[in-house]
Amino acid sequence: EAQVTQNPRYLITVTGKKLTVTCSQNMNHEYMSWYRQDPGLGLRQIYYSMNVEVTDKGDVPEGYKVSRKEKRNFPLILESPSPNQTSLYFCASSQPGQGVPGANVLTFGAGSRLTVL
Amino acid sequence: AQSVTQPDIHITVSEGASLELRCNYSYGATPYLFWYVQSPGQGLQLLLKYFSGDTLVQGIKGFEAEFKRSQSSFNLRKPSVHWSDAAEYFCAVGAAGSYIPTFGRGTSLIVHP
Repeated sequence: EAQVTQNPRYLITVTGKKLTVTCSQNMNHEYMSWYRQDPGLGLRQIYYSMNVEVTDKGDVPEGYKVSRKEKRNFPLILESPSPNQTSLYFCASSQPGQGVPGANVLTFGAGSRLTVL
Repeated sequence: AQSVTQPDIHITVSEGASLELRCNYSYGATPYLFWYVQSPGQGLQLLLKYFSGDTLVQGIKGFEAEFKRSQSSFNLRKPSVHWSDAAEYFCAVGAAGSYIPTFGRGTSLIVHP
């Protein structure tokens, strides 16, 4: 089954304790991205990657890191989490649609709910 | 840069009633438009998309949306809502050359029995 898998689905941690949220897709997609969802703010993009070793900042990259060493994996790293990073996180992947990036249809993971105390 | 406005934060309808969720976008050229649905505890799933051609597009679960260039709108409709349609709905716009689709803030649909 074609899917995007995120782990962990739920995590409670404390300020400053480094954590990694993993994301893996089995569709050989080139494009992957991370979003956070907060009440009243909708989805905001954190980072995206157009292919292996190619990443770029989205709208809210501060406090996050990513890497894309393999095509299927795109982990999100919080080096020193803070309470304002408490949120619901989504990973998504896609292939460029119709030859242009803007036409991407995204496949989303089920989400990772992170609480930072 | 493109932007998306979903003016309604919450919409409440009775089961069996018709539904229209509003979406307005801002973009200088013809946009790529999407509606996604997020069921409770789930990720987002594509309902339908508009790239070009017929301005009335059909999607999954009986949803449709109409692109109106003159109004910069892409409203989502369903003639008869089912209780299982209760979810969060997101409109999104993609621009040619951009890897960053812009999402609206979402509309939460509540369905009364």
